[in-house]
Amino acid sequence: GENVEQHPSTLSVQEGDSAVIKCTYSDSASNYFPWYKQELGKRPQLIIDIRSNVGEKKDQRIAVTLNKTAKHFSLHITETQPEDSAVYFCAASKGGSYIPTFGRGTSLIVHP
Amino acid sequence: DVKVTQSSRYLVKRTGEKVFLECVQDMDHENMFWYRQDPGLGLRLIYFSYDVKMKEKGDIPEGYSVSREKKERFSLILESASTNQTSMYLCASLRGPSSGNTIYFGEGSWLTVV
Repeated sequence: GENVEQHPSTLSVQEGDSAVIKCTYSDSASNYFPWYKQELGKRPQLIIDIRSNVGEKKDQRIAVTLNKTAKHFSLHITETQPEDSAVYFCAASKGGSYIPTFGRGTSLIVHP
Repeated sequence: DVKVTQSSRYLVKRTGEKVFLECVQDMDHENMFWYRQDPGLGLRLIYFSYDVKMKEKGDIPEGYSVSREKKERFSLILESASTNQTSMYLCASLRGPSSGNTIYFGEGSWLTVV
């Protein structure tokens, strides 16, 4: 089955810095890659996603890039703010077995 | 607004008790999931269901069972709770079958077994 590795497990940055979280996947048939943000005590919620026919997608301060050849995708957050502090999960899924496989999560801490 | 509701947010149960965690979704989604979330281990899939009365084991089904009698409701059952089942449990639903759909989570149920 699919295996998703996520790094780093913890990331500490100063407000205004950029943050990058990386994920690798094992199944080349995977074609959908969402990212979820989970604030303390709350449910994980989708923040951005990318499909395999696209190399990059942006939404204001967040962006996701996908390298299908290397089977990795990354979340980029620019100009980080304290409210970006949360646990971020990447996931991968594919048609025919649409159940997402999640990475272990990255705890992002943004220091004011 | 989509909604996945977990009826119990915080529970404290004794070892050996039978525990029911209930989840209801109002989006007419075919698929429902139960995850367990522990620090450093991420989201681990316990069971999922792709239709009424259908269920499939996930990665860590031992010690758990599930029930899906109606499309909107998916229950997680701990037949005899143990202290190593102290955790946060997340229910989720997903429209399917196709890749590219968003999975929606409930708020989570914090279970402490003493």
